[in-house]
Amino acid sequence: EIVLTQSPGTLSLSPGERATLSCRASQSVTSYYLAWYQQKPGQAPRLLIYGAASRATGIPDRFSGSASGTDFTLTISRLEPEDFAVYYCQQYGSSPWTFGQGTKVEIK
Amino acid sequence: EVQLLESGGGLAQPGGSLRLSCAASGFIFNNYAMTWVRQAPGKGLEWVSSISTTGGGTYYADSVKGRFTISRDNSKDTLYLQMNSLRAEDTALYYCAKDYRYYASWGQGALVTVSS
Repeated sequence: EIVLTQSPGTLSLSPGERATLSCRASQSVTSYYLAWYQQKPGQAPRLLIYGAASRATGIPDRFSGSASGTDFTLTISRLEPEDFAVYYCQQYGSSPWTFGQGTKVEIK
Repeated sequence: EVQLLESGGGLAQPGGSLRLSCAASGFIFNNYAMTWVRQAPGKGLEWVSSISTTGGGTYYADSVKGRFTISRDNSKDTLYLQMNSLRAEDTALYYCAKDYRYYASWGQGALVTVSS
């Protein structure tokens, strides 16, 4: 199965700063079939990005995704207070679908 | 508006069984594959099982294969997860999610605790 490794484990930033989250796959992900989710405490995950770079419905354009080989990146251009949360990547190109272990974005 | 409402969670003994349900509304249920994803307390997300639109195709994580059974009743717009031979490591919040590949809609989850 494809193992997704997210880094860093925790990102401490201030509102207004840029956040760059990494997700590295242990092997190539078919057709860049990778999604990003945001999860806040006590809530279900929320889909942000699919197909590595396509924003889901209603997601602000400060969220963007990119890919290069087996490396995937979620960028939040300017952090808003509501963006502090845990972020997960997920690949759906090769069964079984797998998730990364998560990156927590916390207020510095 | 898509709504997914899980029920059936609770406390089970090791080796016991539970059946989760997920009532769907706000979309044409039989047009979509459906999925269960779980999250152990304080941990990350784990794909558990998916089912095709007709129920003819079912898919399982190795960790639950042979113990869990996914099914659906399209006449009732409801998804199920029958969980047998439960283990302590099955303790988690179980989410129902719409679709097969990535998940734009999630329920709020049903908590399953396996403990003696």
